[in-house]
Amino acid sequence: DADVTQTPRNRITKTGKRIMLECSQTKGHDRMYWYRQDPGLGLRLIYYSFDVKDINKGEISDGYSVSRQAQAKFSLSLESAIPNQTALYFCATSDWASGTDTQYFGPGTRLTVL
Amino acid sequence: LAKTTQPISMDSYEGQEVNITCSHNNIATNDYITWYQQFPSQGPRFIIQGYKTKVTNEVASLFIPADRKSSTLSLPRVSLSDTAVYYCLVGDPYTGGFKTIFGAGTRLFVKA
Repeated sequence: DADVTQTPRNRITKTGKRIMLECSQTKGHDRMYWYRQDPGLGLRLIYYSFDVKDINKGEISDGYSVSRQAQAKFSLSLESAIPNQTALYFCATSDWASGTDTQYFGPGTRLTVL
Repeated sequence: LAKTTQPISMDSYEGQEVNITCSHNNIATNDYITWYQQFPSQGPRFIIQGYKTKVTNEVASLFIPADRKSSTLSLPRVSLSDTAVYYCLVGDPYTGGFKTIFGAGTRLFVKA
């Protein structure tokens, strides 16, 4: 969905480096999420945020941190990247007021840690 | 959290109707059933959502029996472009999508 953008789309980095993945949305949604997907597997939730002042850990938050700079922006950081963090990362948004909580996903960031 | 079980993979041919069933035996009263579609290297995309009985939109139909312990996504007359992974999720939309879990999904392969 073009309303949810992620930068960069691809990134290759080395073990131990700090990496930031950024997500922006123009949908006006209050909720934002970060997921990772490993080959052949489903999505696993890393962090989620219901609004700027509300950030929560998901299923696999170890080794990651996030920042909700504004309602429209949600960044994911890998403080010290390791090879098993090589994955496809997705940002998503949803709107509590819609009553459906349908999630809208960005195009993904493919991260490779060497 | 309501866990879902769906087939790992399915094959079909163009023009056929495809039905993918999802089991969710411990679905809660306030839970809705939502299906997403994911193409390779893309984020999942919402297909359909329902609470009970039948829901239909321009893409698919969702059948939910009275006990709501399962649901069936029906894709009419599939084409090659319907080859994708389909996820069944169960959760309460008012308490947040974070409580819904994307499992491995069902890999649908449509053949010519």
